[in-house]
Amino acid sequence: NAGVTQTPKFRVLKTGQSMTLLCAQDMNHEYMYWYRQDPGMGLRLIHYSVGEGTTAKGEVPDGYNVSRLKKQNFLLGLESAAPSQTSVYFCASSRYRVEAFFGQGTRLTVV
Amino acid sequence: DAKTTQPNSMESNEEEPVHLPCNHSTISGTDYIHWYRQLPSQGPEYVIHGLTSNVNNRMASLAIAEDRKSSTLILHRATLRDAAVYYCILLRSNYKLTFGKGTLLTVNP
Repeated sequence: NAGVTQTPKFRVLKTGQSMTLLCAQDMNHEYMYWYRQDPGMGLRLIHYSVGEGTTAKGEVPDGYNVSRLKKQNFLLGLESAAPSQTSVYFCASSRYRVEAFFGQGTRLTVV
Repeated sequence: DAKTTQPNSMESNEEEPVHLPCNHSTISGTDYIHWYRQLPSQGPEYVIHGLTSNVNNRMASLAIAEDRKSSTLILHRATLRDAAVYYCILLRSNYKLTFGKGTLLTVNP
């Protein structure tokens, strides 16, 4: 049982570089979420998806784009990374209104 | 988004029960009440959820007030492993799962 897998686990980017974080789930869940968590803070919702081909903005969407081309994958893109995007990123998936499962996190540093 | 209010921190002793309160006075009839916790350096972990009735599972119990404007997460016998930040969340029909600041639970040996 893989559950929710995030790739990569760690990454260091230079300011202005781009990258894509991958979230993959093997539970056939409809709903998927991307969060960021800064030190000492709670999780903030970046974008979410309620099904294949759909995405919606969360609380802090600026500077990020997402795609859900396949039901099992939810991609988070940073087109031009900034130091303010240094954070730990978590992905989650769930079925309708029941428990959400979280990935192990991606620690991103932008220098 | 629906707002919840939790104490910033609580303290408990090992092997004693813990009652973590949450106020959600703006809850609507179709909002689900979810609880998650986050252990240090880990991702959030689902604890329990409910709609109207009290719920029990292997981790905890959820007591929901009759008017649904508040709820209480009950850990029956706290262990050191239960030290975490506990989040109370209202899950609305728009499926947005948004976290507040949560309650930092400290468990003393």
